[in-house]
Amino acid sequence: QSVLTQPPSVSAAPGQKVTISCSGSSANIGINSVSWYRQLPGTAPKLLIYDNNKRPSGIPDRFSGSKSGTSATLDITGLQTGDEADYYCGTWDSSLRGGVFGGGTKLTVL
Amino acid sequence: QVRLMESGGGVVQSGRSLRLSCAASGFTFRSYAMHWVRQAPGKGLECVAFLSYDGTQKYYADSAQGRFTISRDNSKNRLYLEMNSLRPEDTAVYYCARDRNTGYGGGAFDLWGQGTMVTV
Repeated sequence: QSVLTQPPSVSAAPGQKVTISCSGSSANIGINSVSWYRQLPGTAPKLLIYDNNKRPSGIPDRFSGSKSGTSATLDITGLQTGDEADYYCGTWDSSLRGGVFGGGTKLTVL
Repeated sequence: QVRLMESGGGVVQSGRSLRLSCAASGFTFRSYAMHWVRQAPGKGLECVAFLSYDGTQKYYADSAQGRFTISRDNSKNRLYLEMNSLRPEDTAVYYCARDRNTGYGGGAFDLWGQGTMVTV
């Protein structure tokens, strides 16, 4: 069972917007920055969002993140079939003194 | 080219040991905290171990505590994971990942290797 909680799956039509939630606690999301990762089948995860809402170079602005209290969200707008992947949230847990991830959310673009 | 490359995975019998290696290139390895993350078949990501830039701070998941040892050789730009008393539930792809924060970590994982498969 993962420390952070994500919905197992979400879906939306091409061109639409989808939101993926990530819930944690005061020991992790409540006091540390959240990051988001995308993992295509058979490949390593790739950083999409860091420090709650910042995008690394090369990540389009269709991807945005936010955090409030002990929860965070990833928004993806203008969905494309190529966005079909598993998405993970992650953060530091100050109680465990290590990194933690959500269980992952499978995005289906209908 | 900024890159991480894992090696050392394979098929091993339960109870045996394996040493994974991660070769870093294209960046100042000695400045960054590093992590080992694993993914069991069909499952999510699990942080297994963390090591600060200077090797003074470590973290192990409960599943790895007492069996796995993370270490680094900054002179060789390499990160290691020594895994002992392996169990079937350790079967996974093991990734090394760089912490975006230099020093003592706590940041996002901004660079990942391609992973190495361990089958117990």
